[in-house]
Amino acid sequence: GAVVSQHPSRVICKSGTSVKIECRSLDFQATTMFWYRQFPKQSLMLMATSNEGSKATYEQGVEKDKFLINHASLTLSTLTVTSAHPEDSSFYICSARPGQGGGNTIYFGEGSWLTVV
Amino acid sequence: AQTVTQSQPEMSVQEAETVTLSCTYDTSESDYYLFWYKQPPSRQMILVIRQEAYKQQNATENRFSVNFQKAAKSFSLKISDSQLGDAAMYFCAYRRGAQKLVFGQGTRLTINP
Repeated sequence: GAVVSQHPSRVICKSGTSVKIECRSLDFQATTMFWYRQFPKQSLMLMATSNEGSKATYEQGVEKDKFLINHASLTLSTLTVTSAHPEDSSFYICSARPGQGGGNTIYFGEGSWLTVV
Repeated sequence: AQTVTQSQPEMSVQEAETVTLSCTYDTSESDYYLFWYKQPPSRQMILVIRQEAYKQQNATENRFSVNFQKAAKSFSLKISDSQLGDAAMYFCAYRRGAQKLVFGQGTRLTINP
């Protein structure tokens, strides 16, 4: 099946710094990628939808200036947490949908643990 | 807006027995997709089964089957011959066309040996 890779799988950063998480579709072109945040023992909360070459669409309540999403190519989307604070510590997971003709299935990355100290 | 509800935060079943996880959803659309995802401790999201709303026949994948009741907006997952490896969080999800997935709150399934 199709593979979506996230990097890093775990990252620790200092409060006030920025950290970038990458989401790559390894064997298909992803016109749309989705970024989720998951708190302990809770469901996945959609943060934003990114379409290649255009601005991301953020869900209500998600600060777009704090969670910068870039989808500059058909195989890569990045999430940058700016001026990170301990409350940003969480599990972040991306998913990707192939472009036209690639099928309807959405593929998930392995997720990234962010710890802000 | 579409919503997905899983009313069972936790379920447990004896190994080799059968368990059913419940899911209801709310939508005004007639054409959509429904999914069950499994999230083991590794946190990797694994697609278990999917159902197209226009299909009357319930989807099955080996030991996993669904009971799709479109009029009642119900989409339950039945796991037969439960195995220890089935222990995980299970999420029901809805999607219309190419739009985003909407997830339920999840059900934590424990398998008792």
